[in-house]
Amino acid sequence: EVQLVESGGGLVQPGGSLRLSCAASGFNVSNYKMNWVRQGPGKGLEWISHIGSSIRTMYYADSVKGRFTISRDDAKNSLYLQMDSLRAEDTAVYYCTREIPARPPRDAFYYFDSWGQGTLVTVSS
Amino acid sequence: SFVLTQPPSVSVSPGQTAMLTCGGGAVHPKIAVHWYQQKPGQAPVLVVFDESDRPSGIPERFSGSISGNTATLIISRVEAEDEADYYCQVWDSSRDSAGWVFGGGTKLTVL
Repeated sequence: EVQLVESGGGLVQPGGSLRLSCAASGFNVSNYKMNWVRQGPGKGLEWISHIGSSIRTMYYADSVKGRFTISRDDAKNSLYLQMDSLRAEDTAVYYCTREIPARPPRDAFYYFDSWGQGTLVTVSS
Repeated sequence: SFVLTQPPSVSVSPGQTAMLTCGGGAVHPKIAVHWYQQKPGQAPVLVVFDESDRPSGIPERFSGSISGNTATLIISRVEAEDEADYYCQVWDSSRDSAGWVFGGGTKLTVL
């Protein structure tokens, strides 16, 4: 069974740092594209960052570029999000997700088949 | 970058058909549009991928279509348990740095 479990959330002051972890089970993160998505209180879903599988391509939303870093530890089968220079507007539940390809012949397209339960990050003084 | 526009709310009576739209220049038949359902306090769940395909475990009542620049999630014979927020999603490779885009979400209320 595929499972994603996030951890590392908590209360942090503006300007501070936090590192989120996402432990995967039931599959190897090294073989999949992975993402972080967040949801502010009462708001919609916001994609934050993506990391590819074999070539480890990384993409970031403009709102976090230069402040957040996505990474992966294949040996620990885990995904990470290092968050620096945190702001009040970064307050949200953070989810990690797995991507899988659609059915052939449209398998060049991917979608999120699995989500973790989320971890809450609160940025406040 | 792409913007996906969803109506904030849609209301429907049980047994009727709900049609939730997702519009924008990014939407057209050659790309893949995905839909997620999110109930209060829970993580999102995929209900339709690649316009109209369903993952295992999702009822046949859920389907999708694309016409012009608008994707539509169609929920037939709506049930009380379908009350939730629904988000559409596409991959935006048009900008210098690619990324995923979500619509603002539609709250489906079952009357």
